[in-house]
Amino acid sequence: GNSVTQMEGPVTLSEEAFLTINCTYTATGYPSLFWYVQYPGEGLQLLLKATKADDKGSNKGFEATYRKETTSFHLEKGSVQVSDSAVYFCALSDRQAGTALIFGKGTTLSVSS
Amino acid sequence: EAGVAQSPRYKIIEKRQSVAFWCNPISGHATLYWYQQILGQGPKLLIQFQNNGVVDDSQLPKDRFSAERLKGVDSTLKIQPAKLEDSAVYLCASSPDRTGTEAFFGQGTRLTVV
Repeated sequence: GNSVTQMEGPVTLSEEAFLTINCTYTATGYPSLFWYVQYPGEGLQLLLKATKADDKGSNKGFEATYRKETTSFHLEKGSVQVSDSAVYFCALSDRQAGTALIFGKGTTLSVSS
Repeated sequence: EAGVAQSPRYKIIEKRQSVAFWCNPISGHATLYWYQQILGQGPKLLIQFQNNGVVDDSQLPKDRFSAERLKGVDSTLKIQPAKLEDSAVYLCASSPDRTGTEAFFGQGTRLTVV
C-alpha cells in the first residue's frame, strides 16, 4: 500500500542555517505530494504541494521537488528562522483513486537564535 | 472564509466512558475526514466521507468508534467505551473533492483517557 517515510527528528539548527528534511514515498497510481506544518499550539496547515513528477512546490522560502525516479519529496530552506520552529509532515494522496492523505511520522525542527 | 470548526478543544474522561466530538467543515466541501494523531506520530485516517456517504472506514475500530455525517455537512465521531490508548488528538479535515487537492484541518480535540 501507499506509505511515506520521513527522517527522524528532532532537527536542531541555528538561525540562517540550511535545512533539509528527507521524505520518500511508496505509491501506486498517481500520488500528489504535500508538506504540512504544525506550529506550536496551532492546527495542521499546508506548506506546499506538488501534483506531478518534476513539479516544484514552494512557499515561505521552503521548496520541495517531486522526484519520481527517486520517489522523494525532500523539504529544503536556504536560511531558517526561529519562527520556522515547528513539526513538519510529509504526506501523499492518490488523486486518481481519491484517497485521503497518508502522513509520515513528522519531523520536529527547532531553530535557535 | 471560515475554517474547519471542531469542539470541544479538550476532553478528559475515564476509561469505559463515552465521548463525542463535533466537526463543521468549510462550507461547500464535499469530503470530510477524521484523523487520530497520537503524540509523536503523524495523523492516521479513521474515516473519510464523501457528502454523507462513507468512502473509507477501513482503519476505524468499529467495535468502539462510530461516525456519521448527516445531511452531508456536520459530522460527529463517537467513542464508546473509551480505552487508555484512545488518548490522542482527533483532527477533522475537509476538502472540496477527492481529486488529491489539499485538505484543510481544524484545531483538533485533545482527548485524555484516565
